[in-house]
Amino acid sequence: EVVLTQSPATLSVSPGERATLSCRASQSVSSNFAWHQQKPGQAPRLLVYGASTRATGIPARFSGSGSGTYFTLTISSLQSEDFAVYYCQQYNKWPPSFGQGTKLEIK
Amino acid sequence: EVRLLESGGGLVQPGGSLRLSCAASGFSFTNSAMAWVRQVPGRGLEWVSGLNRDTLSTNYADSVKGRFTISRDNSKNTLFLQMTSLRADDTAIYFCARDAVTLFGVLMTDWGQGTLVTVSS
Repeated sequence: EVVLTQSPATLSVSPGERATLSCRASQSVSSNFAWHQQKPGQAPRLLVYGASTRATGIPARFSGSGSGTYFTLTISSLQSEDFAVYYCQQYNKWPPSFGQGTKLEIK
Repeated sequence: EVRLLESGGGLVQPGGSLRLSCAASGFSFTNSAMAWVRQVPGRGLEWVSGLNRDTLSTNYADSVKGRFTISRDNSKNTLFLQMTSLRADDTAIYFCARDAVTLFGVLMTDWGQGTLVTVSS
């Protein structure tokens, strides 16, 4: 199984600032890679797939990059609604797997 | 608007069975790969099972293989997860998901709100 390691576990950022979240895969997953956002008490929501393609309706301040084993999600100017837990996911190898999550909190 | 509505969760004793349902609307269910993903409350996400869009082949996480069965009824736009031989570590919120990108039910493009399954005596 591909192990995804997210860093940091918790990220404290002020509204309006930039946030960068990272995810490293234990083996190459090409660009079959996604980011999901989850707010308390809600279902996850897909933000990015194919490593860098924003899902339908996702604001342009969210951008994904990377390939192979290292990926990042950047939120260019944090809005209040962006504070949540973010999960990375690979769908290149069986079984699909998720990272442990990064909690983005208000500084 | 894509809607996925899970039902069937609840309290079940260890060794028992439960069938989850997911009513889908707002998209072509027949032409979509589907999946189940679970989450222990307060913990991370675990892919459980996927259903291939074209071949209807199924795949399972090792943790549930031989105990869970994913299926669909296209006439009712409904996805199912039959769970047997349930264990305490199956306790989780179970999310139904649509995969609108791949054929295999491995990329969750749309998520339901989830249904809680509690396995306890």
